[in-house]
Amino acid sequence: AQKVTQAQTEISVVEKEDVTLDCVYETRDTTYYLFWYKQPPSGELVFLIRRNSFDEQNEISGRYSWNFQKSTSSFNFTITASQVVDSAVYFCALSEAARGYQKVTFGTGTKLQVIP
Amino acid sequence: DTGVSQDPRHKITKRGQNVTFRCDPISEHNRLYWYRQTLGQGPEFLTYFQNEAQLEKSRLLSDRFSAERPKGSFSTLEIQRTEQGDSAMYLCASINRQGADEQFFGPGTRLTVL
Repeated sequence: AQKVTQAQTEISVVEKEDVTLDCVYETRDTTYYLFWYKQPPSGELVFLIRRNSFDEQNEISGRYSWNFQKSTSSFNFTITASQVVDSAVYFCALSEAARGYQKVTFGTGTKLQVIP
Repeated sequence: DTGVSQDPRHKITKRGQNVTFRCDPISEHNRLYWYRQTLGQGPEFLTYFQNEAQLEKSRLLSDRFSAERPKGSFSTLEIQRTEQGDSAMYLCASINRQGADEQFFGPGTRLTVL
């Protein structure tokens, strides 16, 4: 069964600090996709990134970066020089090829508060 | 705005009443998903449609819940005889094609059952 664990329930940082959000996943499938979504206070989930299981290259997009390590089944998300607008709940999610990518399993989320 | 709309945004109802929510996906998207999100949790899969066909339902979807997508466009989620435990945010998402594309989420319908 697929499972996503985000052990950090809440994180508070001061503006301009770097912060890493952890994501650990479980799957029996060798082919899968991992996602990160952002849910700001307004409530609408916003897609941030998708990675497939065969691509372990780290990715950087502006202040955001992602570290995918299959050896530890982790897909961590780092925000560099955090800003107040980064305050939100962040969800990691997993979708398996064996299920035809039909079902996406989300973690419980990490609430990030960036203090000015 | 992702292009997925949901109506209503908020619904307050008394226990035992029936409620119906609507989701309008992005027009060319053929897959549509319903999720439920409770406080402090991630979205939990309820069901999904490929065009008008409902292909999978979660065990979370009791017989009081029913979903339809009659013409493969908009979808409705009905809850009959609501219970206080049904209070949650109900999210709709759509995908353009098969595979692992990212889902586009609507703003959700927040249901409060008194």
